[in-house]
Order: sequence, then structure tokens, then C-alpha cells
Amino acid sequence: GAGVSQSPRYKVAKRGQDVALRCDPISGHVSLFWYQQALGQGPEFLTYFQNEAQLDKSGLPSDRFFAERPEGSVSTLKIQRTQQEDSAVYLCASSLVGLSNAPYEQYFGPGTRLTVT
Amino acid sequence: AQSVAQPEDQVNVAEGNPLTVKCTYSVSGNPYLFWYVQYPNRGLQFLLKYITGDNLVKGSYGFEAEFNKSQTSFHLKKPSALVSDSALYFCAVRDTGSGNTGKLIFGQGTTLQVKP
Repeated sequence: GAGVSQSPRYKVAKRGQDVALRCDPISGHVSLFWYQQALGQGPEFLTYFQNEAQLDKSGLPSDRFFAERPEGSVSTLKIQRTQQEDSAVYLCASSLVGLSNAPYEQYFGPGTRLTVT
Repeated sequence: AQSVAQPEDQVNVAEGNPLTVKCTYSVSGNPYLFWYVQYPNRGLQFLLKYITGDNLVKGSYGFEAEFNKSQTSFHLKKPSALVSDSALYFCAVRDTGSGNTGKLIFGQGTTLQVKP
């Protein structure tokens, strides 16, 4: 079956531009996560959705970062007024359940590599 | 605070030899532990997980991992390495903190290089 897809795969933005990154999770997956992976580092949590509800946004680095999942499937991560330190790979992951229930594994998309010049 | 440590930036092994990639963790409560592999320009692929039960967990592509509670370790192993196993490996622990959304906390990653 289809896995998690993300678009675009690569994005170059000039400092100050707004960007929008899309994630299509696996059909039927309730939970959706966004992670940021800096070069040479492990992924770091940004935000979490259960269906359309954003239950945890504690990892968003600033108020320039905004995420939504209005219909409980596709999600968009938006970064306003991009800065050079925003350059990273943004990974989306989905799973069947995410809360304190059984710890299902997360399935990751290929990521969007954002370069801010 | 929960954390994961992968003490080796890189592990080199000859094809056909056994391999071990080390991981130690720090969590409050019962740990849920995962291993993922990342190939260049691709997302993370799930290898295996430990939830409860047997300390030796078997996963994809012949990999296994040994959970050791007393040493708070979850080392990834394979009896016979393949050149195609060369990739970046991440250990992760499920966050059990407040909110408990199931987010993963990752180690820094270990590059595995298998030479023919």
C-alpha cells in the first residue's frame, strides 16, 4: 500500500519568504507527527495531531511555525518569514494510534529538504 | 527528562561479520524502544521495537536488538553484515512525559559502514 508522502521533496526559499510543506499520511492513520532533522542530527519533534486536533505543539521553535490538519488527513506545515536556521529536513510520520495506548510504530515520509538562502 | 544516547558516530565492519550498534536510554517508567534506519535522501524505515516480553527482539532484514533493563541499553545486532546494510541508524524512545502523545525522542544516529 501507499506510504507517507511529502511534497515538495526539495524547497529553496529566500530569507523572509513563507513556505508550506505538505504531508499525506497513510490512509486510516489517526496520528500524525512532524519532526525537524538538522544536518547530522537525529529528528526532533515539532508537533502532533490526533485526527484534526493539534494536541501537542511544544516542539515548534517559534511562532513563525504553524501546522494544520483540517480534515484529519493531509497536514501542512507552514513557516513564515523563513530564516537560515530553518534549513533542515522536515519529516512527517503517521501511526495508527499515538496516545497512551499501544505504542504503534511511526511510518515516516521521505522528508522535505528546506534550504533558506 | 527522557533521552537516548548512541555513543558511536560510526561503526565499521567487514561483510559477513557480526555487527552491533549501541544505544542507551533514560526514561521514567517502562521504556518503549525503537530502531530505525535511514538511507540517503529517504525517510526513516522502521526496523523493530521493544514493548514488553522477551528481551531479544527480532525485526526486519535479519536485525535484532537486545533489551537490557539493568544496563538501560537496547543494542542493535545482526549476525552477518551485508554491504547493503550500510546506512544511518537511529535509536528512539517513546516519550512518556506529560501529555504522552507518543512522540519519539531520537539519538544522534550511528553511521554503519560495511566493507566488502
